[in-house]
Amino acid sequence: DAKTTQPNSMESNEEEPVHLPCNHSTISGTDYIHWYRQLPSQGPEYVIHGLTSNVNNRMASLAIAEDRKSSTLILHRATLRDAAVYYCILRDRQEGAQKLVFGQGTRLTINP
Amino acid sequence: NAGVTQTPKFRVLKTGQSMTLLCAQDMNHEYMYWYRQDPGMGLRLIHYSVGEGTTAKGEVPDGYNVSRLKKQNFLLGLESAAPSQTSVYFCAIETGAAGAGELFFGEGSRLTVL
Repeated sequence: DAKTTQPNSMESNEEEPVHLPCNHSTISGTDYIHWYRQLPSQGPEYVIHGLTSNVNNRMASLAIAEDRKSSTLILHRATLRDAAVYYCILRDRQEGAQKLVFGQGTRLTINP
Repeated sequence: NAGVTQTPKFRVLKTGQSMTLLCAQDMNHEYMYWYRQDPGMGLRLIHYSVGEGTTAKGEVPDGYNVSRLKKQNFLLGLESAAPSQTSVYFCAIETGAAGAGELFFGEGSRLTVL
């Protein structure tokens, strides 16, 4: 399975944008890029996913490099509630979620 | 976490005891999953089900059994609990098509085995 590499931790300030990087140099042409986040003492929650084009939703934006070997999750204006562990995951479009690999993710700290 | 309910939320067991965790969905999704998460670690898949009456092994299935007799319920059983099974257990359902489907997780069940 293709793997992703994320920084162990990042820190940002409230109301500032946050850019969370993810490297996936071995991504295949059929892999979607998914992001989940896990708030303290909660189960993970879906954030966003994309294949080739940049994606936006109410929670975040996903910027995907042209060669698809890296991507960046963008929180446009961080709040204290965005403090969480963020997981970048590759998922083959033909596979079920049983192939998903949740690594250790990036622990995001937001300073008031 | 709407739509995915896990019971119990907390449980303390002694080594060798048995117990069952219940995951219930109030929707009609086929795919259900059981994960465990140890402190400071990511989630690891224990077992999963692609429909009523079907189950399959995930990454760490040893010491666990599962059943999906009804579509809405996915049960995770520990026949003889061991301290190594102390963990937080998460159930998830999947919506959407393969590849692009989203996982919705329950709030978790914290299990301690003494």
